[in-house]
Amino acid sequence: DQQVKQNSPSLSVQEGRISILNCDYTNSMFDYFLWYKKYPAEGPTFLISISSIKDKNEDGRFTVFLNKSAKHLSLHIVPSQPGDSAVYFCAASGATSGTYKYIFGTGTRLKVLA
Amino acid sequence: GAVVSQHPSRVICKSGTSVKIECRSLDFQATTMFWYRQFPKQSLMLMATSNEGSKATYEQGVEKDKFLINHASLTLSTLTVTSAHPEDSSFYICSARGGYEQFFGPGTRLTVL
Repeated sequence: DQQVKQNSPSLSVQEGRISILNCDYTNSMFDYFLWYKKYPAEGPTFLISISSIKDKNEDGRFTVFLNKSAKHLSLHIVPSQPGDSAVYFCAASGATSGTYKYIFGTGTRLKVLA
Repeated sequence: GAVVSQHPSRVICKSGTSVKIECRSLDFQATTMFWYRQFPKQSLMLMATSNEGSKATYEQGVEKDKFLINHASLTLSTLTVTSAHPEDSSFYICSARGGYEQFFGPGTRLTVL
């Protein structure tokens, strides 16, 4: 049972345009969400997170939006750069409720075209 | 950000041998560390949660006698793949918890011949 889903396995975007990566979850107990970037044969690198008490968090070119009623979050990257090309994973946890395990989505491979 | 290291970065072993992978938090103390496994083009699958000074908690379907986890100090957790077989070949990643976030190591590529 996949509790965190990323339905788009891949996405191609032109440099300078906006990249939107989507993530859906099923467990209403999740209250903390994160996005990680991963290159092949490397560990994930933290990008941005959001607590369920917020609906938006912004850090530079990265913005995460959370829609709790829809159990949906998205990562916006603007403007997209070729160096953003990687696999992006969303993760969910019940951190504030004391459960620190992360459940990862299946990942979306982003390719930013120069 | 916090730094987590893993050693070795890659290992090739013969079937039937045991392999130990180390995970260290270099600049912070981690009471909780996690071990993940990633198959090619798939998600990171949580294998177990390692708590300093106590037994690890394994996820459903993960054999605890196969994947031995030891968290002897606040900066070191080890994963030993016992009697490794080719199906154990995978990319193993550890993470260490700091606050709400986990900081990931660079991963270890295990190939069992």
